[in-house]
Amino acid sequence: EAQVTQNPRYLITVTGKKLTVTCSQNMNHEYMSWYRQDPGLGLRQIYYSMNVEVTDKGDVPEGYKVSRKEKRNFPLILESPSPNQTSLYFCASSLQGGRGNEQFFGPGTRLTVL
Amino acid sequence: SQQGEEDPQALSIQEGENATMNCSYKTSINNLQWYRQNSGRGLVHLILIRSNEREKHSGRLRVTLDTSKKSSSLLITASRAADTASYFCATAMDTGRRALTFGSGTRLQVQP
Repeated sequence: EAQVTQNPRYLITVTGKKLTVTCSQNMNHEYMSWYRQDPGLGLRQIYYSMNVEVTDKGDVPEGYKVSRKEKRNFPLILESPSPNQTSLYFCASSLQGGRGNEQFFGPGTRLTVL
Repeated sequence: SQQGEEDPQALSIQEGENATMNCSYKTSINNLQWYRQNSGRGLVHLILIRSNEREKHSGRLRVTLDTSKKSSSLLITASRAADTASYFCATAMDTGRRALTFGSGTRLQVQP
């Protein structure tokens, strides 16, 4: 089944404790992206990747890191989480970026930073 | 910054009625897409309309695009309780490497 998976689905952590949210897709998509969703603000893009080893900042990249060493994986790293990073996070992928193809979303990761 | 803005923010209708949601955007686009999100879950792609198209249908969904007004509408006909969800428009611009910019969504409640 074609899908985007994220782990963990739920995470409660404390300020400053490094964490990684994994994202994997099995559709051989070139483009992958991370969003955060907050009430009243819709989805805001954190980082995106056009292909392996090619990543770029979105609208709200501060406090986050990403890597794209393999085509299927695009982990989101919070080196020193803070309470303002409490949010619902989505990973998404599409065949190619740049022309606005349909995006496939993961189920989301609900992160709480205390 | 948000490219697409949906209107209304929330909509409550009775089952069987039609639901219309609107989206306005600011810059020229390559295409506009509508997504659906059930509470707390990932978004699901509904329909894509290109900048040279004016109307598109998919089942009970009808999407229009007016590039002169920089606006789009999503019509759901004969709504069902299962249509209860948030609906987002997303725009893909002509230039740049970023794929989509999402609006803040319309929450639709369909009363059985």
